[in-house]
Amino acid sequence: TQLLEQSPQFLSIQEGENLTVYCNSSSVFSSLQWYRQEPGEGPVLLVTVVTGGEVKKLKRLTFQFGDARKDSSLHITAAQPGDTGLYLCAGARPYSGAGSYQLTFGKGTKLSVIP
Amino acid sequence: NAGVTQTPKFQVLKTGQSMTLQCAQDMNHEYMSWYRQDPGMGLRLIHYSVGAGITDQGEVPNGYNVSRSTTEDFPLRLLSAAPSQTSVYFCASSYRRPSASSRAEAFFGQGTRLTVV
Repeated sequence: TQLLEQSPQFLSIQEGENLTVYCNSSSVFSSLQWYRQEPGEGPVLLVTVVTGGEVKKLKRLTFQFGDARKDSSLHITAAQPGDTGLYLCAGARPYSGAGSYQLTFGKGTKLSVIP
Repeated sequence: NAGVTQTPKFQVLKTGQSMTLQCAQDMNHEYMSWYRQDPGMGLRLIHYSVGAGITDQGEVPNGYNVSRSTTEDFPLRLLSAAPSQTSVYFCASSYRRPSASSRAEAFFGQGTRLTVV
């Protein structure tokens, strides 16, 4: 069972268009993170949201955490070719067995922005 | 700071061979983990460690061993390579407990692309 469902799996759009990527779960997370991964590289953190209903903006990217802390969305305004990549969401949950936490990753949304 | 360093970047193994993927971090992070990334499967957790001397299994541990003798290093050992282990492997590190400043963010290495023939 995939704890975090991302949609769409693939997205190909023209430069200048807007898009939204979704990350949904039936589980509650302490925090939710969004990463971007470019070919041949490891994922790089874009943002972390912690509070239900929280909205964060990073230039043309807007991230929102659901009120119940079970889902999140990433909206890109006026997409650029440089936005091309794999977008991954990851939820953090406490792991009491080790007094720590664990990250669970979605399968990702592969975005292609065509010039 | 170099962050998280993985070696090698590419490796080809024959079925049955063993090898160790190296991972080192210089951020004094307690938590380190290994993931494999396969098309359509996302990142799957293999093993993780919450500190030196402490390791535990993740979602897909079979065929892999780990150890954590120091805070900095977390090698992943393939005992007897199989074609099913062909994948891209990522090591990641983070602070053990989320805090106001860390919030459990993971820092990833550049990955090791492994092919088992």
